[in-house]
Amino acid sequence: GAVVSQHPSWVICKSGTSVKIECRSLDFQATTMFWYRQFPKQSLMLMATSNEGSKATYEQGVEKDKFLINHASLTLSTLTVTSAHPEDSSFYICSARRDTQFFGPGTRLTVL
Amino acid sequence: AQKITQTQPGMFVQEKEAVTLDCTYDTSDPSYGLFWYKQPSSGEMIFLIYQGSYDQQNATEGRYSLNFQKARKSANLVISASQLGDSAMYFCAMRESSFTGANSKLTFGKGITLSVRP
Repeated sequence: GAVVSQHPSWVICKSGTSVKIECRSLDFQATTMFWYRQFPKQSLMLMATSNEGSKATYEQGVEKDKFLINHASLTLSTLTVTSAHPEDSSFYICSARRDTQFFGPGTRLTVL
Repeated sequence: AQKITQTQPGMFVQEKEAVTLDCTYDTSDPSYGLFWYKQPSSGEMIFLIYQGSYDQQNATEGRYSLNFQKARKSANLVISASQLGDSAMYFCAMRESSFTGANSKLTFGKGITLSVRP
């Protein structure tokens, strides 16, 4: 299967700071990447669809000014959680679409 | 209405036995794709198997097979010869439009926890 990486794998930050998470497709070019959030023992919830060279498409209820997505190249999408608060603590997973969706290993964000 | 329903509570299976994980779905799109992913405690999502709505045969991938019953809108995952490493969370997901088109979002079910006993 295809390889998708995420960095960092975990991060702890203070409330009010911003955190950037990178998602890379290592062995294929992805015009579309997806960002999900998963709370403990719950399902994956799609946050936004990241399109290379254009604006991301956000799901209903997801604040686009808080969760900034940039898809500047065919192999890299970034999610920036701005002014993070404790309720933003979650597991963030990206995926890149080729014939199917391949997922990154996830980033665990803890906001103190 | 939920698009993907996984209602089983935590499932237990004896090592080397087979287990079926249930999934029902709801869509009015005639073209869709169904997926199963495994999520171990490490958190990564591992793709297991895919079934397109127009596929004539049930999908199989090694020890995984998908019991696709289109009329009943069910896509159950069957794991044969369970191994200890199969213990994980399993998610059923649907993509409405089984072709790689613009609408390729996945909708996930709530997941099922499978524990394999030695």
